[in-house]
Amino acid sequence: GQQVMQIPQYQHVQEGEDFTTYCNSSTTLSNIQWYKQRPGGHPVFLIQLVKSGEVKKQKRLTFQFGEAKKNSSLHITATQTTDVGTYFCAVHLRNQFYFGTGTSLTVIP
Amino acid sequence: NAGVTQTPKFQVLKTGQSMTLQCAQDMNHNSMYWYRQDPGMGLRLIYYSASEGTTDKGEVPNGYNVSRLNKREFSLRLESAAPSQTSVYFCAIVAGLYEQFFGPGTRLTVL
Repeated sequence: GQQVMQIPQYQHVQEGEDFTTYCNSSTTLSNIQWYKQRPGGHPVFLIQLVKSGEVKKQKRLTFQFGEAKKNSSLHITATQTTDVGTYFCAVHLRNQFYFGTGTSLTVIP
Repeated sequence: NAGVTQTPKFQVLKTGQSMTLQCAQDMNHNSMYWYRQDPGMGLRLIYYSASEGTTDKGEVPNGYNVSRLNKREFSLRLESAAPSQTSVYFCAIVAGLYEQFFGPGTRLTVL
């Protein structure tokens, strides 16, 4: 069954605006990963988080793992057209990976 | 992703036909996974193989079989295809702790 709920499902932003997607779980997670999938492409690994309260940055992208390890977020500052795609979170549990349903980001030039 | 290859890239089947999707890696990792991706559903795990010679069911295994032929190759077989199996299929390997590398995918349509 679904281990993580991801919101929102869709997000349209003007270029230069910020964007955030959230993953939430009812149980404590030991880890969470984030992936980006361009239209027509395959998922590409971005980052993994394992520590409570962890914050990692990759240029304009900021990833957070909640203090209670039940939620995570991906924030993009000043979006660009190259940020278009679907962003997925995933968790590893009992040898399996469970993916969120993804947030599809459209950036309007 | 040069490390994980999948064949074919596209396939159209009629209901009841069988086919095998191939996945190969040149990254020398033990764990390999098969997913299907449907609109609005994210990726769902079909089967996985933690090492050569072992396979286990994932979230949605019904209608599929797998073979871990050797460390490099992990195939997914549809014995009698159904329209509900129309999807995009991705193979992935796991490197490091939880980092997955995905193949380019196979787009399958069952009529």
